[in-house]
Amino acid sequence: DTGVSQDPRHKITKRGQNVTFRCDPISEHNRLYWYRQTLGQGPEFLTYFQNEAQLEKSRLLSDRFSAERPKGSFSTLEIQRTEQGDSAMYLCASSFGGGGRAEAFFGQGTRLTVV
Amino acid sequence: GDSVTQMEGPVTLSEEAFLTINCTYTATGYPSLFWYVQYPGEGLQLLLKATKADDKGSNKGFEATYRKETTSFHLEKGSVQVSDSAVYFCAQNRDDKIIFGKGTRLHILP
Repeated sequence: DTGVSQDPRHKITKRGQNVTFRCDPISEHNRLYWYRQTLGQGPEFLTYFQNEAQLEKSRLLSDRFSAERPKGSFSTLEIQRTEQGDSAMYLCASSFGGGGRAEAFFGQGTRLTVV
Repeated sequence: GDSVTQMEGPVTLSEEAFLTINCTYTATGYPSLFWYVQYPGEGLQLLLKATKADDKGSNKGFEATYRKETTSFHLEKGSVQVSDSAVYFCAQNRDDKIIFGKGTRLHILP
């Protein structure tokens, strides 16, 4: 296993279109996180899963955003009716176990550009 | 709410210079603290961590000490190399969420 992988790496879409991103975590990891990073900022927490259960969603995650992890393995993040403000790098991370000490491993991200 | 504040960059140093990147946090309780690094074209990588007060995290010549009394976790390296050029993020883990600072871009000149 080579780490967390995200697909696609880059996505350009027109405003109003729907997009879906995929994240494949490290295989034995039960926790999966989504973050968003804009230029010059640190990653901002969006949501996370323990196995297939979505445990928390940030207020940043409007009702146009939905995330799933149907079998507790890969996850998808969908953005409906994209807006230019959605342009960002979307990062996925995974960890084994929770609590403050678990190390999160990040993928290389999906860069979304909404035109 | 919980937050992380780190010094703004970019920071430009000559090779072999001493590096300090300041980081302070606000939190209720005692989070774990981390430094992540993002090299050009790569994903975020954990550089070092400390899970309780007075712990020192270290890796690749970098060090940071968890200071509860000053709520700080400053990153230091005694002699930087060109290959250390990257963006460095200070972070805390509280209630299973990692909260990041804005990042500090470091340029090392040969």
